[in-house]
Amino acid sequence: DAKTTQPPSMDCAEGRAANLPCNHSTISGNEYVYWYRQIHSQGPQYIIHGLKNNETNEMASLIITEDRKSSTLILPHATLRDTAVYYCIVRVANSGYALNFGKGTSLLVTP
Amino acid sequence: GAGVSQTPSNKVTEKGKYVELRCDPISGHTALYWYRQSLGQGPEFLIYFQGTGAADDSGLPNDRFFAVRPEGSVSTLKIQRTERGDSAVYLCASSQGKDEQFFGPGTRLTVL
Repeated sequence: DAKTTQPPSMDCAEGRAANLPCNHSTISGNEYVYWYRQIHSQGPQYIIHGLKNNETNEMASLIITEDRKSSTLILPHATLRDTAVYYCIVRVANSGYALNFGKGTSLLVTP
Repeated sequence: GAGVSQTPSNKVTEKGKYVELRCDPISGHTALYWYRQSLGQGPEFLIYFQGTGAADDSGLPNDRFFAVRPEGSVSTLKIQRTERGDSAVYLCASSQGKDEQFFGPGTRLTVL
């Protein structure tokens, strides 16, 4: 699976949009971009994934650049409960294989 | 419905002892994964089961680690002759086929 690069930490004010970047310049054509998050002392939680089109669900939006070398996870109205470590992972979809988490971005949402 | 459960939530053992960690996946999920997470790091893959068989055990660090899933549901991770470096949170995840993985809360293992 392709390697990803994320900033180690970010801050965001409550109620504002949180934009978390991820670089994956070596992504292959059949690899998807996945995002998971891990709230303190809990297991990771799936957020969203996409191939090349932008995706949105009840939790977040995923914006993937046209060349697919980077992406941004957007939490439109961050709350204190969104404080967590966010992991950007690229992998072949439907591969049944493990997730390669890396170190992620620690997002702190402040009042 | 019920999520992935793991027992015990915490386990303290002495160096050299044997431990078993249990994972109950979501009912009907055919795939089951074990990960290990050290302090300040992301989870690292250990082993993946598809049904009863280990489809990929390339993440097991050495032959002291072994996992089973005899009936294709509950899985047990077994660690022999524990070492202090085995201290970590052990996470289990399950999925239906090859879809998103659902994680349990983990077992925190401390080897004294």
